[in-house]
Amino acid sequence: EIVMTQSPATLSVSPGERATLSCRASQSVSSNLAWYQQKPGQAPRLLIYGASTRATGIPARFSGSGSGTEFTLTISSLQSEDFAVYYCQQYNNWASTFGQGTKVEIK
Amino acid sequence: EVQLLESGGGLVQPGGSLRLSCAASGFTFSSYDMHWVRQVTGKGLEWVSSIFSSGYTYYPDSVKGRFTISREVAKNSLYLQLSSLRAGDTAVYFCARGGYCTGGTCSVMDVWGRGTTVTVSS
Repeated sequence: EIVMTQSPATLSVSPGERATLSCRASQSVSSNLAWYQQKPGQAPRLLIYGASTRATGIPARFSGSGSGTEFTLTISSLQSEDFAVYYCQQYNNWASTFGQGTKVEIK
Repeated sequence: EVQLLESGGGLVQPGGSLRLSCAASGFTFSSYDMHWVRQVTGKGLEWVSSIFSSGYTYYPDSVKGRFTISREVAKNSLYLQLSSLRAGDTAVYFCARGGYCTGGTCSVMDVWGRGTTVTVSS
């Protein structure tokens, strides 16, 4: 099983600032990496797939980078609606695994 | 509008069984891989099963032999049969569509339902 490790567990950021979230895979997943946003009481929402491709309707302030085992999600200027939990997911084979999540909270 | 709607959750005793359903609408259901993901309250996401458009099914070791995923194309419905349930299976269960395909799998989940809650307790 490929283990996904996200850091930090919690990120405190002021509105308008940049947020950088990390995700590390226990073995290479190539670019088969997605990011999701989840708000309390809601289902996850796909943000990024293929490590760097924004899903339909996702604002340009969200960007993804990385390949192999190291990945980053950057939110360039945090808006109030961006405070949420973010999960990475590897889908290098049929067995997906998710990271434990990073909570982005208001500083 | 593309939509997924889960149902069938509830309270079940340890060792019991339950069948979850997911009604799909707004897209050609038969063409997509479909997935179930669960989430324990306050915890992260855990993939629990997939069924590809080809019919192949996949499970993690944590549920293999206890959970069975299936689909009924004529009813645009996805199912998850849960058996030999344990307290650790208590969670919200989401169904999700595999909307983007790479490397032979369509496991990027682009549409999600709102979830149905399963509680395993005596």
